[in-house]
Amino acid sequence: SQQGEEDPQALSIQEGENATMNCSYKTSINNLQWYRQNSGRGLVHLILIRSNEREKHSGRLRVTLDTSKKSSSLLITASRAADTASYFCATAIIQGAQKLVFGQGTRLTINP
Amino acid sequence: DTAVSQTPKYLVTQMGNDKSIKCEQNLGHDTMYWYKQDSKKFLKIMFSYNNKELIINETVPNRFSPKSPDKAHLNLHINSLELGDSAVYFCASSQDKSQVGNQPQHFGDGTRLSIL
Repeated sequence: SQQGEEDPQALSIQEGENATMNCSYKTSINNLQWYRQNSGRGLVHLILIRSNEREKHSGRLRVTLDTSKKSSSLLITASRAADTASYFCATAIIQGAQKLVFGQGTRLTINP
Repeated sequence: DTAVSQTPKYLVTQMGNDKSIKCEQNLGHDTMYWYKQDSKKFLKIMFSYNNKELIINETVPNRFSPKSPDKAHLNLHINSLELGDSAVYFCASSQDKSQVGNQPQHFGDGTRLSIL
C-alpha cells in the first residue's frame, strides 16, 4: 500500500479563496515534501518540512506537519488560476536504499 | 537552460516493439531516477542510479533495462512493449543518494508512451 495518501482527490474553488490539501502517511518519517505538477509537465518541488518542524511558510504556501497523527497539510492562500495543478506529498522510506514514495495527489482547479 | 531533459516527449508505437527514452541532467547531481506515472496519476519509482551505479531496482519486468553511461545521463530501454506499458515515464535527479528525504528531486517533463 502507499506511504502517502492525499485528501481530497479533487478540489475545485474560486479564484481568491484558500485551498487546503491533506496528506497522511503510515511509517515514521524524517521529512515530508510537497510537489506540484502542472498538466503535461513534470513535478516541481515546493517545500520540505522536517519532522521537528510543525509549520513552514513559502510565499502563499503554508505547510503543517503533525507527526503524532502522521499527517501534513498544504494551504495555498489567495489562490490564482495559475495554481491549477495536481499536488503531491512525498516521504522517504528506507528499504535498503532510500527512495521517495508519492501519494496519488490532489487535483486542484481554480475557477476564475 | 533545462535542468532535466527527456526525449522524446511523445512515443507512440506498436506492441512488441523495442524503444528507448533518454534523459540528461545538467545540475551536477550524482543520483538519477526513473518513475512511471499511470493514468490515475500514481507515481512509482522504477530505478535509481548513483554515479552510474544501480542502487534501486523495483519489481520491474526485466524487459526494462536502464543504462547510465555517465552520471549526467540515464536512459531507459524497453523491449517487447506491452499494452500495460502505456504511461508517462519521468526522469528525475537529486544531489546524491544519502538522505533522499532531505533533498528535492528535479523532474523532467515526462515521456508519454502509448502502445497501440
